[in-house]
Amino acid sequence: DQQVKQNSPSLSVQEGRISILNCDYTNSMFDYFLWYKKYPAEGPTFLISISSIKDKNEDGRFTVFLNKSAKHLSLHIVPSQPGDSAVYFCAASAIKGAQKLVFGQGTRLTINP
Amino acid sequence: KAGVTQTPRYLIKTRGQQVTLSCSPISGHRSVSWYQQTPGQGLQFLFEYFSETQRNKGNFPGRFSGRQFSNSRSEMNVSTLELGDSALYLCASSVDPAKNIQYFGAGTRLSVL
Repeated sequence: DQQVKQNSPSLSVQEGRISILNCDYTNSMFDYFLWYKKYPAEGPTFLISISSIKDKNEDGRFTVFLNKSAKHLSLHIVPSQPGDSAVYFCAASAIKGAQKLVFGQGTRLTINP
Repeated sequence: KAGVTQTPRYLIKTRGQQVTLSCSPISGHRSVSWYQQTPGQGLQFLFEYFSETQRNKGNFPGRFSGRQFSNSRSEMNVSTLELGDSALYLCASSVDPAKNIQYFGAGTRLSVL
């Protein structure tokens, strides 16, 4: 049972344009969401997070939007840069469940010059 | 500040053997979580330790076990290795359970032959 889904295995975007990565979840107990970025041969790197009491969180070029009624979140990267090419993972947790993160399958983002 | 350190980076074992992986968290972080990453299943939660106690456990067989020491360093053990245990094993540490932001090491790549 895939509780966190990233339906797009890959995404290709031109440098300077907006990248939008999507994530859906099924478990209504999730109340904290995170995005991680992963390069080959490295561990995931934390990017940005959002609590369920918010619908938007922004950090520089990265913005995460949360739509609780649709159980959907998205990561916007503006403007996209070649260094953003990586695999992006969406993750969710229920705070009362402590440190257990449930991850999506990841989306490989490629930024083309 | 040093990041999460995992040793060894690579391991090759044969079926039936056992293996121990090590993780040193970021200084000051008391929570350590372990994840398994495979191409088919993605990133899956194994277990989490806090103050030498296992607080959460994922859906893995009893062959997978772990422990945490008083200095927060953690080890993960897999006994009676199977071919399907070949994976990237990731360790993550956290200082703030309320935010569930976990910082990952580079992982240990285990190959079972």
